[in-house]
Amino acid sequence: EIVLTQSPGTLSLSPGERATVSCRASQSVSSNYLAWYQQRPGQAPRLLISGASSRATGIPDRFSGSGSGTDFTLIISRLEPEDFAVYYCQQYGNLPGTFGQGTRVEI
Amino acid sequence: HVQLQESGPGLVKPSETLSLLCNVSDYSISTAFYWVWIRQPPGKGLEWIGSLYARGNTYYNPSLQSRVTISADMSKNQFSLRLSSVLAADTAVYYCARSFLRGGYFDFWGRGTLVTVSS
Repeated sequence: EIVLTQSPGTLSLSPGERATVSCRASQSVSSNYLAWYQQRPGQAPRLLISGASSRATGIPDRFSGSGSGTDFTLIISRLEPEDFAVYYCQQYGNLPGTFGQGTRVEI
Repeated sequence: HVQLQESGPGLVKPSETLSLLCNVSDYSISTAFYWVWIRQPPGKGLEWIGSLYARGNTYYNPSLQSRVTISADMSKNQFSLRLSSVLAADTAVYYCARSFLRGGYFDFWGRGTLVTVSS
């Protein structure tokens, strides 16, 4: 199975700052089938990005995804208070679909 | 706007079978898409358990395949998860979700239900 490694584990930032989260795959992700999710405490994950760079419906444009092959990045251009959460990458090009271990974005 | 809601026992004894239902509203599961179970142990990350396609094919995580069954009741617009011979390590929040492909991505999620394995 493809192992996804996210970095950093925790990102300590302030509102208005830029957040950059990395996701590296143990082998190339087929068709760049890479998604990003946001999970707030006590809530289900929410889809942010699919296909490495396509924002899901209703997701603000301060969220952007990029990358291909084995290296992917999620950028939050200007953090809002509601963006402080845990972020997960997930590859779905190969079964089993696998998730990264998560990156906590905290104040 | 698709809605999913998990239901089932919150406590299961070790070696028994965990059974959960996911009720889907505002979309017929027989039409299209994959219908999925994902779990998250307390304080930990996410694990894809398996997917059921609208036409009936199922796909399971190899790590759980020998213990997992996902099936659907199209007449009730529900799908279910059965996980046999549970251990304490199966304690988790279990989510049902909808997916475009066998292994992801998941655009609609239920709120999740905590299942604790304990005697």
